[in-house]
Amino acid sequence: EIVLTQSPGTLSLSPGERATLSCRASQSVSSSYLTWYQQKPGQAPRLLIYGASSRATGIPDRFSGSGSGTDFTLTISRLEPEDFAVYYCQQYGSSPQYTFGQGTKLEIK
Amino acid sequence: QLQLQESGPGLVKPSETLSLTCTVSGGSISSSSYYWGWIRQPPGKGLEWIGSIYYSGSTYDNPSLKSRVTISVDTSKNQFSLKLSSVTAADTAVYYCARHCDIAVAAYNWFDPWGQGTLVTVSS
Repeated sequence: EIVLTQSPGTLSLSPGERATLSCRASQSVSSSYLTWYQQKPGQAPRLLIYGASSRATGIPDRFSGSGSGTDFTLTISRLEPEDFAVYYCQQYGSSPQYTFGQGTKLEIK
Repeated sequence: QLQLQESGPGLVKPSETLSLTCTVSGGSISSSSYYWGWIRQPPGKGLEWIGSIYYSGSTYDNPSLKSRVTISVDTSKNQFSLKLSSVTAADTAVYYCARHCDIAVAAYNWFDPWGQGTLVTVSS
């Protein structure tokens, strides 16, 4: 089973700042299968990025994804108040098996 | 606009079977392009994929759930369902259903959209 480790666990930033969230896989992951979600309290997760770098429909261009192999990054260029949430990465591995990272909480500083 | 809605009991006794249904509206569950999935989230914790099903009935699930999972589909009702047997307190979670872009039928992997989720508590 591929384990995804997200860092940091909590990221404290101010609106307008740049956020960089990391997702590291225990084995190499196909970029096509690396996905990012945003979850706000009391809500279902929302698809942000798929294929490591493709924005889902309706996602603002301040959100971008990058990476390959075992290291992937979600970047939010300029934080808006509505961006403070928990972010999860997710991948497909063999078995078949879909796994999620443990999440990064992005909080207002 | 595609919408999904989970329904089922909010309280299940230990050792019994949890049963949930997901109703899909605004689109057909018989689409050849997607699977349909179940994901859960224990209170205050992260997300765990449970399993997914194709409209034809082809399914696969998370091996960590040790064969306790049964997923079925009813195309006439545009619904798919989850049964999880022999539940314990560890199965207490918010259960989500979602459309699943699965690598078996597409080049990518994602879940979208998601239902609002339903909290299932396992307790006597």
